[in-house]
Amino acid sequence: DAEITQSPRHKITETGRQVTLACHQTWNHNNMFWYRQDLGHGLRLIHYSYGVHDTNKGEVSDGYSVSRSNTEDLPLTLESAASSQTSVYFCASSPGQGHTEAFFGQGTRLTVV
Amino acid sequence: GEDVEQSLFLSVREGDSSVINCTYTDSSSTYLYWYKQEPGAGLQLLTYIFSNMDMKQDQRLTVLLNKKDKHLSLRIADTQTGDSAIYFCAARTGANNLFFGTGTRLTVIP
Repeated sequence: DAEITQSPRHKITETGRQVTLACHQTWNHNNMFWYRQDLGHGLRLIHYSYGVHDTNKGEVSDGYSVSRSNTEDLPLTLESAASSQTSVYFCASSPGQGHTEAFFGQGTRLTVV
Repeated sequence: GEDVEQSLFLSVREGDSSVINCTYTDSSSTYLYWYKQEPGAGLQLLTYIFSNMDMKQDQRLTVLLNKKDKHLSLRIADTQTGDSAIYFCAARTGANNLFFGTGTRLTVIP
């Protein structure tokens, strides 16, 4: 079955380190998204991509970057991790325009100490 | 961007109906969604409604949309303990972005 997977599921890192969270989907979806979930804020969009080599900033993009070298993967990089980036990160994908269900990964819990 | 607001908590007794409310700000929102998140899991789509509809029913779920007031609600009939979760309202704008509310934690009391 097609799916979307995130790795790792849990990560602890130190302030200032570079961290990359992986997201891989096997549906061949054009659209991929990264969100962070924080208490009292719901899900906030970090970056998104509508296709290979396309990346766009979301609502809370500072300190994060993404790259889209193929359809299946959208890795999220924290250039220099900060404690404010401690959060649960969700990756999602959807096929295209109009009503399209967004499928979510299981989430990555990142702790920056 | 779009602002989507929800109350944070709701408690109901098993067997009663639950109503979770949501407001949004962008009148050009095309689709509105309800997602469910169980502990330690990602989000699962429950139902959605297109902006030109007033109501959609799907088994125990009823979605009502008041486009004039930009108000969306989700009614769960005969609420069960398995319905305890966080419910997110989300609005899709003209682009492909989804804007989420803060989530409403539903607690079902046996």
